Amino acid sequence: EIVLTQSPGILSLSPGERATLSCRASQSVRGNYVAWYQQKPGQAPRLLIYGTSTRATGFPDRFSGSGSGTDFSLTISRLEPEDFAVYYCQQCGSSPGTFGQGTKVEIK
Amino acid sequence: EVQLLESGGGLVQPGGSLRLSCAASGFTFMKYAMSWVRQAPGKGLEWVSGISGGGTGTFYADSVKGRFTISKDNSKTTLYLQMNSLRAEDTAMYYCAKDLGSGVITPQEFWGQGVRVTVSS
Repeated sequence: EIVLTQSPGILSLSPGERATLSCRASQSVRGNYVAWYQQKPGQAPRLLIYGTSTRATGFPDRFSGSGSGTDFSLTISRLEPEDFAVYYCQQCGSSPGTFGQGTKVEIK
Repeated sequence: EVQLLESGGGLVQPGGSLRLSCAASGFTFMKYAMSWVRQAPGKGLEWVSGISGGGTGTFYADSVKGRFTISKDNSKTTLYLQMNSLRAEDTAMYYCAKDLGSGVITPQEFWGQGVRVTVSS
């Protein structure tokens, strides 16, 4: 199975700053089928990005995804207070659809 | 509006069984694949199992293969997860999710609120 490694584990930033989260796969992801999810405490995850760069309904354009092959990233251009959460990447190129271990974006 | 309501969780002894259900509404159930994803306390997400829209294609994580069975009843718009030979490491919040497409291995577009499963003696 494909192993996804997210970095950093914790990202401490202030509102208004730019956040860049990394997701590296142990092998190339077929079709670049990578998704990102946002999870806040006590809530279910929400689909944020799919197909590497397509934003899901309800998320503003300050969120963007990019990458190909084994290296993918999620960028939040200017952090808003509601963006502080845990973010997970997932590969959907082959079964099982494995998740990364998550990056927590916390308020500095 | 998509709604997913899980039920059937609880406390079970090691080696025991549980059957989770997920009642779905707000979309054409038979057109979409569905998944179960779990999250152990304080840990990350683990995709557990998925089933195609028509119900003929099923996939499992290696950690549950041979012990868990996913199924769906399109007439009742309900997803199931039969969990047998439960282990302590199966303790988690189990989320039901509607996938983005009809085939298995697509992102989980909508999630239920989850149902807690605790395996302990």
